[in-house]
Amino acid sequence: DAGVIQSPRHEVTEMGQEVTLRCKPISGHNSLFWYRQTMMRGLELLIYFNNNVPIDDSGMPEDRFSAKMPNASFSTLKIQPSEPRDSAVYFCASSLGIWAYNEQFFGPGTRLTVL
Amino acid sequence: GDSVTQMEGPVTLSEEAFLTINCTYTATGYPSLFWYVQYPGEGLQLLLKATKADDKGSNKGFEATYRKETTSFHLEKGSVQVSDSAVYFCALSDRESGGGADGLTFGKGTHLIIQP
Repeated sequence: DAGVIQSPRHEVTEMGQEVTLRCKPISGHNSLFWYRQTMMRGLELLIYFNNNVPIDDSGMPEDRFSAKMPNASFSTLKIQPSEPRDSAVYFCASSLGIWAYNEQFFGPGTRLTVL
Repeated sequence: GDSVTQMEGPVTLSEEAFLTINCTYTATGYPSLFWYVQYPGEGLQLLLKATKADDKGSNKGFEATYRKETTSFHLEKGSVQVSDSAVYFCALSDRESGGGADGLTFGKGTHLIIQP
């Protein structure tokens, strides 16, 4: 079975540019999570969806960040405009549900560098 | 709010040594507890989990017991191998009674280095 797929794996861009990160969850999973990992702050939840509907976006740092899930097999995280402090590894995870006992399966991550 | 505290690394051990990585948590509801492992350049993988008090999660020789009285979920392994070198994250997923969960709240991670 294919796991969670993220693209691109690496992204280097210049400050001010728009960046779009993509995620394909595991087929049949109805919950999707976006996390950010930095040395300073560790792993932080940004937003999560259940049945394609955003449930909690309180972790999204600023209005420059937006996420969508137009269908059950695709989600995007967009940063516009990007800033150097957005440099991090962004992980997407999916699960069968949002309940506490549901295991989350993580993708390999997108390493974003904003110059 | 919810939080997870785990011992800072790096932790360096010799092969076949006994491993303990401490983890304590603060939660308002009825959390499930997890240990995830991250190998270099990869995403996180679930190592083990426990969903209620006194449950013991185990996998690949690793164990952790959900201790509600001490709000702890310490990770242990009796004999570590070089291949266990990775970053280990303790995490919780909380839910209010009868409700759903938020995403995972992670500790900062513990970098484990096993020397041959």
